[in-house]
Amino acid sequence: GQQLNQSPQSMFIQEGEDVSMNCTSSSIFNTWLWYKQDPGEGPVLLIALYKAGELTSNGRLTAQFGITRKDSFLNISASIPSDVGIYFCAGQLMSKSTFGDGTTLTVKP
Amino acid sequence: DSGVTQTPKHLITATGQRVTLRCSPRSGDLSVYWYQQSLDQGLQFLIQYYNGEERAKGNILERFSAQQFPDLHSELNLSSLELGDSALYFCASSPGTLGAYEQYFGPGTRLTVT
Repeated sequence: GQQLNQSPQSMFIQEGEDVSMNCTSSSIFNTWLWYKQDPGEGPVLLIALYKAGELTSNGRLTAQFGITRKDSFLNISASIPSDVGIYFCAGQLMSKSTFGDGTTLTVKP
Repeated sequence: DSGVTQTPKHLITATGQRVTLRCSPRSGDLSVYWYQQSLDQGLQFLIQYYNGEERAKGNILERFSAQQFPDLHSELNLSSLELGDSALYFCASSPGTLGAYEQYFGPGTRLTVT
């Protein structure tokens, strides 16, 4: 079946730093989604990407749909303490979704 | 607030018991998905329903079953519970129509099996 490789697995950064994480797959997807999960809560949709090459921003977050349709990245600029959490990517082909294992972000004040 | 509701929020039960988790999707969404998330683990897809019909199956144990009712709410039944079934169980919904598959997650049910 389809698998996603999400990296890095975890990141420890200083407040104010920029963050970059990505997901790659051997399969193509029609949609890429990025979620953030706070401890004990449900994942919250941050950004949805629908076209290869698409670059979309949501505040300090920017995500891109890779031109090969096999990868996507998420950047967070000027990180703040509330950015702490687990970030998941998900690739979709038709109605089937495949989730990455998550990137755990820790921000030191 | 995603618009997806799940009850109960917490559930504590003993091994060998059976429980039912309930999910109400966002208004207008036809697809419901169930996921299991164990401690420090990723999201494990269990099963998907679309408009009352099973659409896709993931790593769902035979002891687990689900259904989606005519009003589109869904229930996940877990039976013969084991300690290893302790986890967060999430429901997600999506419109399910062509091109609209992004999933919106509920707050989850935390199941503890003792």
